Amino acid sequence: AQSVTQLDSQVPVFEEAPVELRCNYSSSVSVYLFWYVQYPNQGLQLLLKYLSGSTLVESINGFEAEFNKSQTSFHLRKPSVHISDTAEYFCAVSRRNDYKLSFGAGTTVTVRA
Amino acid sequence: NAGVTQTPKFQVLKTGQSMTLQCAQDMNHNSMYWYRQDPGMGLRLIYYSASEGTTDKGEVPNGYNVSRLNKREFSLRLESAAPSQTSVYFCASRGQYEQYFGPGTRLTVT
Repeated sequence: AQSVTQLDSQVPVFEEAPVELRCNYSSSVSVYLFWYVQYPNQGLQLLLKYLSGSTLVESINGFEAEFNKSQTSFHLRKPSVHISDTAEYFCAVSRRNDYKLSFGAGTTVTVRA
Repeated sequence: NAGVTQTPKFQVLKTGQSMTLQCAQDMNHNSMYWYRQDPGMGLRLIYYSASEGTTDKGEVPNGYNVSRLNKREFSLRLESAAPSQTSVYFCASRGQYEQYFGPGTRLTVT
């Protein structure tokens, strides 16, 4: 079975400052990696995913994540956050052979003006 | 194209009552999932259905049953609700790699 650890439960940040959300995973088999975002009182939306190839993946709204196989990490970054980025962010891992997702506990990002 | 829809959005039950949460997807996906979300615990898989006609237990199946009615619909049933089942429930379906989530059902058991 795989497990996912999100190292920060709460991240307060000022508008236009950078943010990094840390995610580490453990798995005995190859995995796919995902970041999902949940805005207040909504479902989860896919932010970005790593399947294969380039280890740096980007989203359309300025987030990026880097897959580091040796450190089994998939940290999420944004160089300049907006108030609208206030949300809960979940790192998730699925095994390549059965696609079942395991989620981290989530990181709440609160952006202040 | 509505994606994944869930009903109801909110529900309050008394201990021992039963109810069924409904989920439907219009993306022609084979695999569907039920999760529960509790504070500080992320999402945990209750049951999943890899294809029409099959269902399997996930991480936390006790107290729940599921039915894959057809390719579109996957329902979750609580036969005798308990306060420990107070949670937000999400249904999802899987495309080629990623899962798509519904808006959730907030269930309170008193």
